[in-house]
Amino acid sequence: KQEVTQIPAALSVPEGENLVLNCSFTDSAIYNLQWFRQDPGKGLTSLLLIQSSQREQTSGRLNASLDKSSGRSTLYIAASQPGDSATYLCAVMVGGYNKLIFGAGTRLAVHP
Amino acid sequence: EAQVTQNPRYLITVTGKKLTVTCSQNMNHEYMSWYRQDPGLGLRQIYYSMNVEVTDKGDVPEGYKVSRKEKRNFPLILESPSPNQTSLYFCASRQTGSEKLFFGSGTQLSVL
Repeated sequence: KQEVTQIPAALSVPEGENLVLNCSFTDSAIYNLQWFRQDPGKGLTSLLLIQSSQREQTSGRLNASLDKSSGRSTLYIAASQPGDSATYLCAVMVGGYNKLIFGAGTRLAVHP
Repeated sequence: EAQVTQNPRYLITVTGKKLTVTCSQNMNHEYMSWYRQDPGLGLRQIYYSMNVEVTDKGDVPEGYKVSRKEKRNFPLILESPSPNQTSLYFCASRQTGSEKLFFGSGTQLSVL
């Protein structure tokens, strides 16, 4: 059974730091891996999607990597800002695009 | 504006009183899905629908019903809510063949 784990559960950093969020999954049979941002009262916003055949994706200050063989992904945030404060969720797509298996998330606080 | 709309945003009810949480999307998406989010567990899929009149169980379907009579609407029905269904619920949709999911803003349900 596919399980997704995110470490750490919470993280507090000063503004300007580069940081890494970790995600691991137990079964390498995935279609893709996605990173989402969750803000209170605003639902989930898709940040990056990495196909199973890809190694990484970049969007602005965000870079996500995927190592399918070891069951790991990282989300790198460069030069963090207070506006980056949110919960970040990792999810793997399985079952013919019908299901996303989510991790419990990393709650990030960036303080000025 | 392309969006997934859930109502209500907040709901407090009592055990056994039937309720419906509505979900509507204006993007003509075939696929729709319901998730619940509980602390420390991430999002878990309740039901999904590939198209009108086609629904299937996710990982935690017990105690829930859904219907898909129209393409744009996918209501979640709790026939006899219980306190263990207190949770944050999200509806999501996507176009067939696309991997990108669009999420609603969530419904916080409390069952007393």
